[in-house]
Amino acid sequence: IVMTQSPLSLPVTPGEPASISCRSSQSLVHSHGYSFLDWFVQKPGQSPQLLIYLGSDRASGVPDRFSGSGSGTNFTLKISRVEAEDVGVYYCMQAVQTPYTFGQGTKLEIK
Amino acid sequence: EVQVEESGGGLVQPGRSLRLSCAASGFTLDNYGMHWVRQVPGKGLEWVSGITWNSDVLGYADSVKGRFTISRDNAKNYVYLQMNSLRVEDMALYYCVKDIGSGLGIPHGWGVWGQGTAVIVSS
Repeated sequence: IVMTQSPLSLPVTPGEPASISCRSSQSLVHSHGYSFLDWFVQKPGQSPQLLIYLGSDRASGVPDRFSGSGSGTNFTLKISRVEAEDVGVYYCMQAVQTPYTFGQGTKLEIK
Repeated sequence: EVQVEESGGGLVQPGRSLRLSCAASGFTLDNYGMHWVRQVPGKGLEWVSGITWNSDVLGYADSVKGRFTISRDNAKNYVYLQMNSLRVEDMALYYCVKDIGSGLGIPHGWGVWGQGTAVIVSS
């Protein structure tokens, strides 16, 4: 399954919203009925960390300004108000079918 | 604190083998699916392989199939990645990742990542 993210670069002014799109070449709906689409962020010099799982569930400790939505083949990660600490590369990943695959990554930077 | 820690990386010649280890701490491995993900410095993430709580192998990336083998020892709280016939293109930082579930279905979420262990393939 091919995962395609856009944009690949995202300059954002602090306090403004941001949105990243992720599209898959096949449906990510699992037999359980959930969409197996996760979002990760890799901050500079750090390991990736889970933001959103199963399309829209926030991981523990993730601020509520982050939200995930979508189903089937189209998904979106939204940040309601970007903060300086949100700088990093954001990846979507499908886990409905092996080999699991990641998007190319979207680099969020502060204007 | 729930953590995973990778080890076993290093410099190896093309065609040789290396075994990576992932030690689990703060939890018992028994109930959780585990994965290996790699990243070439400055590049994106690539899933390498995954294994369910009871040692069913979920699969391998096409790029490593037939050369890499994932396994686990729940009694020792370790997951392993045996890498044979290493190639220059296998050079990367290898992360061990813990699922919040068994590795099959629900629950699902790759919530714990290690710091990675670097594999350098060079003659």
